[in-house]
Amino acid sequence: EIVMTQSPATLSVSPGERATLSCRASQSVSSNLAWYQQKPGQIPRLLIYGASTRATGIPVRFSGSGSGTEFTLTISSLQSEDFAVYYCQQYNNWRRTFGQGTKLEIK
Amino acid sequence: EVQLVESGGGLVKPGGSLRLSCAASGFTFSSYNMNWVRQAPGKGLEWVSSINSSSNYISYADSVKGRFTISRDNAKNSLYLQMNSLRADDTAVYFCARDGLGAWSFDCWGQGTLVTVSS
Repeated sequence: EIVMTQSPATLSVSPGERATLSCRASQSVSSNLAWYQQKPGQIPRLLIYGASTRATGIPVRFSGSGSGTEFTLTISSLQSEDFAVYYCQQYNNWRRTFGQGTKLEIK
Repeated sequence: EVQLVESGGGLVKPGGSLRLSCAASGFTFSSYNMNWVRQAPGKGLEWVSSINSSSNYISYADSVKGRFTISRDNAKNSLYLQMNSLRADDTAVYFCARDGLGAWSFDCWGQGTLVTVSS
């Protein structure tokens, strides 16, 4: 099983600032990496797939980068609606795995 | 409109069984791989199982292997999860999720159904 490790567990950032979230895979997943956003009481929403491709309707302030074992989700200028929990997920093989999540909170 | 609607959750005793269903609409169900993902109360997302479009490729998380069975009926646009030998740590909201075409990321999610395993 590929283990996904996200850091930090909690990130405190002020609105308007940049947020950088990290995700590391225990072995290479190539570019088969997705990011999801989940707000309290809501279902997850796909943000990024293929490590760097924004899903339909996702604002350009969200960007993904990386390949192999190291990945980053960057939110360029935080809006109030961006404070949520973010999960990375690998789909390099049929046994998908999620990271434990990073909670992005208002500083 | 693409829609996934889960049903079948509820309260069950440890060792019991439950069958979840997911009704799909608004897209060609038979063309997509489908998945179950769960989320325990206050916890993160956990992938449970996947099935490809023609049901000839199936995978399970180690935590449910041998106890859960995923299946689908393309004629009925439905996905299922048969859960046997349920344990307290299976308590979670269970989501049905669709794979995107060309990428095995989950591009569409249902609202989830709550399964509570307790005596």
